[in-house]
Amino acid sequence: GAVVSQHPSRVICKSGTSVKIECRSLDFQATTMFWYRQFPKQSLMLMATSNEGSKATYEQGVEKDKFLINHASLTLSTLTVTSAHPEDSSFYICSAGSGASDGYTFGSGTRLTVV
Amino acid sequence: KQEVTQIPAALSVPEGENLVLNCSFTDSAIYNLQWFRQDPGKGLTSLLLIQSSQREQTSGRLNASLDKSSGRSTLYIAASQPGDSATYLCAVSGNDMRFGAGTRLTVKP
Repeated sequence: GAVVSQHPSRVICKSGTSVKIECRSLDFQATTMFWYRQFPKQSLMLMATSNEGSKATYEQGVEKDKFLINHASLTLSTLTVTSAHPEDSSFYICSAGSGASDGYTFGSGTRLTVV
Repeated sequence: KQEVTQIPAALSVPEGENLVLNCSFTDSAIYNLQWFRQDPGKGLTSLLLIQSSQREQTSGRLNASLDKSSGRSTLYIAASQPGDSATYLCAVSGNDMRFGAGTRLTVKP
């Protein structure tokens, strides 16, 4: 079955630094990838939709200059949290698919802690 | 924008009970609906995927139904076990994929 690899699984960074999270589809071409954020005891909130070769579409309230998304190939999308602050600490998870009718496969998530 | 609602928010049942989790969505123009399980501090485990043309899917003790026209789905868990304790999320795929807030299930031994 479809596999999505997300790295790193955990990262601790200092306030003010940037962190890059990678999401790779291992055995299929992902034309669309979604990035979600989940705060403790809350559900997954869609941050942005990423289509290969085009700019990401961000949800209202998500700062595109802070959360940089690059979907440069059909197998890789990256999320960079720039100038991270403690309030950015969260669980970030990606999903990838080649078409909505086929369903989407989720990565294992990245737990970001900003100290 | 698609809105997904899950009821109840939390549920506690004794072991062995059959139970139903509910999911509703506002826009019926969907491709499919998925039910996931999430354990504390973990990622998502896909349980069932129902295409928009389907009415239900079954996997073991789990049965999910979909009524697209009314914007509803249910997840039925038969003979619940303590190992079923987790948060159950439904997600609806249309132009994007959006989640409900989840139902936190506790099955007591």
